[in-house]
Amino acid sequence: QSVLTQPPSASGTPGQRVTISCSGSSSNIGSNTVNWYQQLPGTAPKLLIYSNNQRPSGVPDRFSGSKSGTSASLAISGLQSEDEADYYCAAWDDSLNGRVYVFGTGTKVTVL
Amino acid sequence: QITLKESGPTLVKPTQTLTLTCTFSGFSLSTSGVGVGWIRQPPGKALEWLALIYWDDDKRYSPSLKSRLTITKDTSKNQVVLTMTNMDPVDTATYYCAHSRLEQTGDWFDPWGQGTLVTVSS
Repeated sequence: QSVLTQPPSASGTPGQRVTISCSGSSSNIGSNTVNWYQQLPGTAPKLLIYSNNQRPSGVPDRFSGSKSGTSASLAISGLQSEDEADYYCAAWDDSLNGRVYVFGTGTKVTVL
Repeated sequence: QITLKESGPTLVKPTQTLTLTCTFSGFSLSTSGVGVGWIRQPPGKALEWLALIYWDDDKRYSPSLKSRLTITKDTSKNQVVLTMTNMDPVDTATYYCAHSRLEQTGDWFDPWGQGTLVTVSS
C-alpha cells in the first residue's frame, strides 16, 4: 500500500509541459530526499531523478524535479513521444516501523 | 558498468517458499555504502519495495512482509538472495533487484535488473 500519492494519469501533446505531483508526509518527503523512476512499457524501471532534483548522466534536461514541504513534482518540458511511460516517485520513510522505502502510486503519461 | 540479473522459479505453488537470487557485476557488496534491494510489481500495478541489504549486513524489510522475508548476501559470489515464505497468488509479480549506494543526500536504486516474473498458482 503506497504512502505517496500521485495522479493516475497525465497527458500532453508533443512539445507541451507536463507536471506530475507526489504527495507524502513529514516522515517521508518532509524529511528525506525524493527520487523519480521512469518505466517504459515492458521494461524495468530506470532512475530519472535523485536527491529531489538531480539528473543521472544521460537523462535529458527536459526532465526536472522539485520538492516543497511534504510534496514533490516531476516536470517534463518539451514532451516527446518516447516519454510515454509510467512514472513513480519514491522516498525513504522514517516511521515507527523503522526506515522503509516507499514508492508512489504511479502516473501514466500519455503523449496525445 | 553495473549489471544485475534475477533468477529463480517462474512458477511456485501456494504455501511454498520462493527463493530468488540476484547475481551482479561491476561493484562489490563489501564496499562501504553499497547495497542491493528487491522490489516487486504485480501485473498492471505499482512498484512495491521489499527489502534491502547493505555492505555492512544491515538489513531493512517492508513492515507488511517482514515476517515472510529474509535477505542475505554472498560477497564472494556477488549474489544477494531473497526468500519469501508462504507464497500466495497475490504474490504473483515481477521481482526486481537493484543496486543502491548511500550518499550524503540519500540513496536510491540504480540500476535495476531486468526482472523475473513469478507466478503463484496450484
